[in-house]
This record gives sequence, structure tokens and C-alpha cells, in this order.
Amino acid sequence: GNSVTQMEGPVTLSEEAFLTINCTYTATGYPSLFWYVQYPGEGLQLLLKATKADDKGSNKGFEATYRKETTSFHLEKGSVQVSDSAVYFCALLDTGRRALTFGSGTRLQVQP
Amino acid sequence: DGGITQSPKYLFRKEGQNVTLSCEQNLNHDAMYWYRQDPGQGLRLIYYSQIVNDFQKGDIAEGYSVSREKKESFPLTVTSAQKNPTAFYLCASASAGANTDTQYFGPGTRLTVL
Repeated sequence: GNSVTQMEGPVTLSEEAFLTINCTYTATGYPSLFWYVQYPGEGLQLLLKATKADDKGSNKGFEATYRKETTSFHLEKGSVQVSDSAVYFCALLDTGRRALTFGSGTRLQVQP
Repeated sequence: DGGITQSPKYLFRKEGQNVTLSCEQNLNHDAMYWYRQDPGQGLRLIYYSQIVNDFQKGDIAEGYSVSREKKESFPLTVTSAQKNPTAFYLCASASAGANTDTQYFGPGTRLTVL
């Protein structure tokens, strides 16, 4: 079946540092890929997505590129801020039932 | 404002009781979903519905039930058969058609069994 693997957290960075959160997936075909962000006590917000190979999703300075060769969708940001502190989830869309399969989440802590 | 609402935000239940979590959306979306989140884990699919009056079991449906009588509403009942119901429950919806990929989430309900 489908699965998503994310790097374990927490990831602790200083403000303005470079961020990478690794995400790899196992799936049949080429599913759409997503990054969601969750702030404490809240639901999930869509951060970015990519629907086909070599697509780059971007939003609020975050980027991720759909790499079918390495089945990866790593999240990057050039300069993180304290306000980026949250839990980040990588997910893929099951094309059969059109529901999401999530990774376990990576907590990011940005220190001033 | 268009969006998804979930109520209540916090819910406490005694063992042996059934409780119902509300999920309402005014985005005119056909598809709705329920996920469960446990600490330090990703979300797992409980039930989903692609259209009114139809729904399917997800990966962890045992001990849960749903109904989809209206397009806007997809309530989840946590029954006494659910062995470990304490968790954060998230509802989501998505449109059908060309842009079916993106799911939008509600703020969640935190259920605690006393």
C-alpha cells in the first residue's frame, strides 16, 4: 500500500537558517503530493502541493519539488522565522479513494 | 466566510458512552473525510464520503460510525466499542471535478475519555 516517510523531529534551527525536511513516499503510479502545516491546537493548513513529476510547489518562501526518480518531495526554505515553528506533514493522495496518506510529521522549532 | 467548522473544540466522555462530533462545511464540496491524530503521529483515515448518502470505511473504522444525509454535514459518532478513543479528530472536505486534489481541514475536536 501507500506510505510516506518523513525525517524525525524535532528540528531546531536559529532564525534565518536554511531548512530541509525530508519526505519520501511509496505509491502506485504518480500521486499528487502535499505539505501541510499544523500550528499548536489547530487543524491542518495546506502549505504547498505538486501534482506531477518535476512540478515545484511553493508558498510563503517554502518550496518542494516532485522527484519521481527518488520518490521524494523534500521541503525547503532559505531563511526560517520564529513564526514558522509548527509541525509539518508530508502527504500523498490515494488516487483510488481520493484520501490522504500522511507521514508522521516533523516538528520545527525556530529560536530567535 | 467559507470554511469548515467542527464542534465542540473539546469533548469529554465517560467510558461506555457514545459521542457525536460535528463537521459542517459551506464550501459546496462533495467529498468529506474524518481523520484521527494521535500524539507524535500522522493522521489516519477513519471514514470518507464522496457524495451524499454514500460513505466508505477508511483504515481505522472499527468503533466509529458516520452518516451523510446532507452535503454540508458529515457527523462522526465514536461508540463505546472504540477501545482507545482519546485523540484529536480532524474533518476535511474536497471538491469533485478538476480540482479534487486539495483537502481543506477544520480546526479539530479533542476528545478525552475520562
